[in-house]
Amino acid sequence: DGGITQSPKYLFRKEGQNVTLSCEQNLNHDAMYWYRQDPGQGLRLIYYSQIVNDFQKGDIAEGYSVSREKKESFPLTVTSAQKNPTAFYLCASSTAGANEKLFFGSGTQLSVL
Amino acid sequence: AQSVAQPEDQVNVAEGNPLTVKCTYSVSGNPYLFWYVQYPNRGLQFLLKYITGDNLVKGSYGFEAEFNKSQTSFHLKKPSALVSDSALYFCAVKMMNSGYSTLTFGKGTMLLVSP
Repeated sequence: DGGITQSPKYLFRKEGQNVTLSCEQNLNHDAMYWYRQDPGQGLRLIYYSQIVNDFQKGDIAEGYSVSREKKESFPLTVTSAQKNPTAFYLCASSTAGANEKLFFGSGTQLSVL
Repeated sequence: AQSVAQPEDQVNVAEGNPLTVKCTYSVSGNPYLFWYVQYPNRGLQFLLKYITGDNLVKGSYGFEAEFNKSQTSFHLKKPSALVSDSALYFCAVKMMNSGYSTLTFGKGTMLLVSP
């Protein structure tokens, strides 16, 4: 069953703690993305990766970090430098090409304790 | 720079009536345009896209969208709404022939279809 798997579904962060959100895809897609969703603000791009071992900052990269060591995996770390991390985080992937649609995971809700 | 505006936070329509969810865009060139739908606590699902050609694009679940270059709009439409269409709808734009560019999303429009 092909798709994108995000885990965990719910995550809680203590102050000063780094947390990592997992994103795995078995669609053989080259490109992967992380978006943050806040109520009334739509989706904002955090980081994206077009190919293994390469990634670029999106519009709101501060306080976040990523890695792309494998084609299938694109984990996102929310660092302690991100002062307002409570949000719904969405991972997506696509094939190469400017007109290709994105496939989304089911999301991770991150909350601060 | 590219941007998308969805002027309505919420659209209310009765089941069986036609629906329209509005979207306008701004890009410095020809656009690729997309509509996605999000059900509660889920990821986004692709509905349809405009690349080139016919201005009326047909997509999933009976939805369609009309590209209007002169008005820089890409409104989502459906002839007869269903209660199950109630969800959050996002318009998105990407610049054509830009090498590699990312999607820019609007803020979303909540569609509520009443029985």
